Amino acid sequence: GAVVSQHPSRVICKSGTSVKIECRSLDFQATTMFWYRQFPKQSLMLMATSNEGSKATYEQGVEKDKFLINHASLTLSTLTVTSAHPEDSSFYICSPRSPGMQYFGPGTRLTVT
Amino acid sequence: SQQGEEDPQALSIQEGENATMNCSYKTSINNLQWYRQNSGRGLVHLILIRSNEREKHSGRLRVTLDTSKKSSSLLITASRAADTASYFCATDPFSGGSNYKLTFGKGTLLTVNP
Repeated sequence: GAVVSQHPSRVICKSGTSVKIECRSLDFQATTMFWYRQFPKQSLMLMATSNEGSKATYEQGVEKDKFLINHASLTLSTLTVTSAHPEDSSFYICSPRSPGMQYFGPGTRLTVT
Repeated sequence: SQQGEEDPQALSIQEGENATMNCSYKTSINNLQWYRQNSGRGLVHLILIRSNEREKHSGRLRVTLDTSKKSSSLLITASRAADTASYFCATDPFSGGSNYKLTFGKGTLLTVNP
């Protein structure tokens, strides 16, 4: 199956700092990248969708200036949580899509103290 | 908004028993997928069933799809303690190809007791 990596797998940061999460599709080209967020004991909620070289489209209620998404290439996308607050603590999962199939990264556990 | 709704929210069974989880959705779909997630881990894709299929099998998994009722079920037969996980359905909505979004249900937490 397709290989998707996320880095870091876990990160703890102080309130007010920014955190960058990288997502790489290692053996295929992702024309579209989805970013999901999952709070404890809840389902995955779609945050935003991006196509390579284009601006991301954010879901209702997700602040685009707080969650910066860069989809610079067909194999790399980054999510930057700016000025993180404790309520941003969550499990962030990237999901690259190639035509016909959607894959999921292993997730990044963000804890903001 | 969430597309799928699973029930039950939680299910506890003994090893060897069968586990059935249901998923309902609201709009037309291209396909429906089931995923497993162990606590604190990423998603594992289990099975995909297309809108023109009614039943699909994969090992101990059996998935049904009823598009008239907009519902699907996942049956795990002869469950094992290792099947303990959260199970999510996800729908690929039919949108003419321009607005693809795979959206997830709330999930069922399955506990298989040894």
